[in-house]
Amino acid sequence: AQKITQTQPGMFVQEKEAVTLDCTYDTSDQSYGLFWYKQPSSGEMIFLIYQGSYDEQNATEGRYSLNFQKARKSANLVISASQLGDSAMYFCAMREGRRNNRLAFGKGNQVVVIP
Amino acid sequence: KAGVTQTPRYLIKTRGQQVTLSCSPISGHRSVSWYQQTPGQGLQFLFEYFSETQRNKGNFPGRFSGRQFSNSRSEMNVSTLELGDSALYLCASSWTTGTTRTGELFFGEGSRLTVL
Repeated sequence: AQKITQTQPGMFVQEKEAVTLDCTYDTSDQSYGLFWYKQPSSGEMIFLIYQGSYDEQNATEGRYSLNFQKARKSANLVISASQLGDSAMYFCAMREGRRNNRLAFGKGNQVVVIP
Repeated sequence: KAGVTQTPRYLIKTRGQQVTLSCSPISGHRSVSWYQQTPGQGLQFLFEYFSETQRNKGNFPGRFSGRQFSNSRSEMNVSTLELGDSALYLCASSWTTGTTRTGELFFGEGSRLTVL
């Protein structure tokens, strides 16, 4: 079964607008971590934000925030004030348990920011 | 601070050959993980090394192997290459294995392997 689901098709976003990328996950573990990465055309995976399953507050990192709804098993990424440099693939990932760095990735969302 | 360095960045091999990819983690990081990225299967976990020990292994055949050295640098090897092994191979490093408050796991730019 797929652990991470990202189902939105490619998105076009107007510069300076906010965009929300959906991510749902499936796990029976109580302890897990959720990640969002950005992958521009160069191929490098750029870490954006992390949410631990026991974190009570939604994570924020600059223009990135994670809308964590534990009961619904969703971890949506919100990018505020989109910039042209935000055009990339965005991946949601999950680590189950604590003592490992084994991530399960979703298929990704393509975002294109237009001026 | 230097990031994760992967070499070579691009390489072309033929079926049946073997290949070795190298990953130098961020200084001080002791965990190195490897991932394979293909258009069809997406990003898939290969294995993780921590302090020279393999901690986790993904669902890949035995042709895929790896190791980690005492300076935390890691190599992965693919023997008897198949066309389906064509992929972007990404390495990620972290100072520890597992949960941290920030969950930082940093990736390199990858090694793009083409098998002809």
